[in-house]
Amino acid sequence: GAVVSQHPSWVICKSGTSVKIECRSLDFQATTMFWYRQFPKQSLMLMATSNEGSKATYEQGVEKDKFLINHASLTLSTLTVTSAHPEDSSFYICSARDLIAGLQETQYFGPGTRLLVL
Amino acid sequence: RKEVEQDPGPFNVPEGATVAFNCTYSNSASQSFFWYRQDCRKEPKLLMSVYSSGNEDGRFTAQLNRASQYISLLIRDSKLSDSATYLCVVNYFSGGYQKVTFGTGTKLQVIP
Repeated sequence: GAVVSQHPSWVICKSGTSVKIECRSLDFQATTMFWYRQFPKQSLMLMATSNEGSKATYEQGVEKDKFLINHASLTLSTLTVTSAHPEDSSFYICSARDLIAGLQETQYFGPGTRLLVL
Repeated sequence: RKEVEQDPGPFNVPEGATVAFNCTYSNSASQSFFWYRQDCRKEPKLLMSVYSSGNEDGRFTAQLNRASQYISLLIRDSKLSDSATYLCVVNYFSGGYQKVTFGTGTKLQVIP
């Protein structure tokens, strides 16, 4: 199947710093990428939908000024957690949708980034 | 009512057993459905798409019931390696925007 990478896989940072997470589709073009967050023992929660060349669409309750998303190319989307606080500590996962696929297309997930804010 | 609901489990079953999970969704306009498997502290991986006619992949069978708005996953001859959390995913498209909703997952533990 298609491959999606995420970098970094682990981040430990001090409160107040900003953290950038990269999501790349390695062998396909993705017009749409999704960013999720998962707290321990909870389900994935969609944070935002990122479309190449346009502004991201954020889910209700997700602060767009805190979670900056940039989707500058068909293979790269970035999520920046600005002024991170301990409550932002979570597992952040991106996924990408294959450009070629039709309605029944699937999402391919990156391996996730574990963020720990001290 | 949640958009997508699953019984969180855990389902503890012996090896070789058959186990079934259901997932209900509230948006009748939902258009595509999937089952994903998530191992502990890992990203979800696609298990199978769910088609209107039902589909089977080895020991796994997925079905869609649009009238009652649920999808199901049946696992036959359970293996220890099937232990994981199974997430159902429901997609809805409108005006070029795709909304993806995950269920909370059903945890399966296959016991020797």
